[in-house]
Amino acid sequence: NAGVTQTPKFRILKIGQSMTLQCTQDMNHNYMYWYRQDPGMGLKLIYYSVGAGITDKGEVPNGYNVSRSTTEDFPLRLELAAPSQTSVYFCASRPPLSRLATEAFFGQGTRLTVV
Amino acid sequence: AQSVTQPDIHITVSEGASLELRCNYSYGATPYLFWYVQSPGQGLQLLLKYFSGDTLVQGIKGFEAEFKRSQSSFNLRKPSVHWSDAAEYFCAVGANTGGFKTIFGAGTRLFVKA
Repeated sequence: NAGVTQTPKFRILKIGQSMTLQCTQDMNHNYMYWYRQDPGMGLKLIYYSVGAGITDKGEVPNGYNVSRSTTEDFPLRLELAAPSQTSVYFCASRPPLSRLATEAFFGQGTRLTVV
Repeated sequence: AQSVTQPDIHITVSEGASLELRCNYSYGATPYLFWYVQSPGQGLQLLLKYFSGDTLVQGIKGFEAEFKRSQSSFNLRKPSVHWSDAAEYFCAVGANTGGFKTIFGAGTRLFVKA
């Protein structure tokens, strides 16, 4: 099983450039999330989605946009890259909440550097 | 608001010694609690989770954690550490609000010395 797949794994952007971080999952999970991880800060939630067509802001949404046109895909868009967006980005998904299904499954991450 | 505190930024343990990583949470209702491990350059892997029932939960790789409601804690333990346990460990709480967001602590990096 592929699980949660993120592309690319690494990327260097110049200030002001734009890019899309791709995330796809093959587990038919309703919930999907984007986090960023900075040293000593843990993971901070950027955006999340509870299903196709529904997205909402997390803790640190500024400078990012998302869309959820299908259950499988949840791309994260950076429109005008800034050095503060240098980070490792993780996509995650999880099924509807139940006693047996509470945890999120994570992709391998995308390491983004903005110079 | 929900939050997770991991008081130790890093811990160094000798191989074969016991380990305890601390975690305190703030959440108004019964929490969903998790411990994840992250090896360098990798994603996050679930070690164990707690929602209800027995307050001592067993996980993978020989880890266990104990939920103590009175102390709002969910400490991770392992009786004998192996060199391969060196990694970063994240405690997290699942907030059963819109989207069931998982809120992470800042992490504790574990170093294992021979």
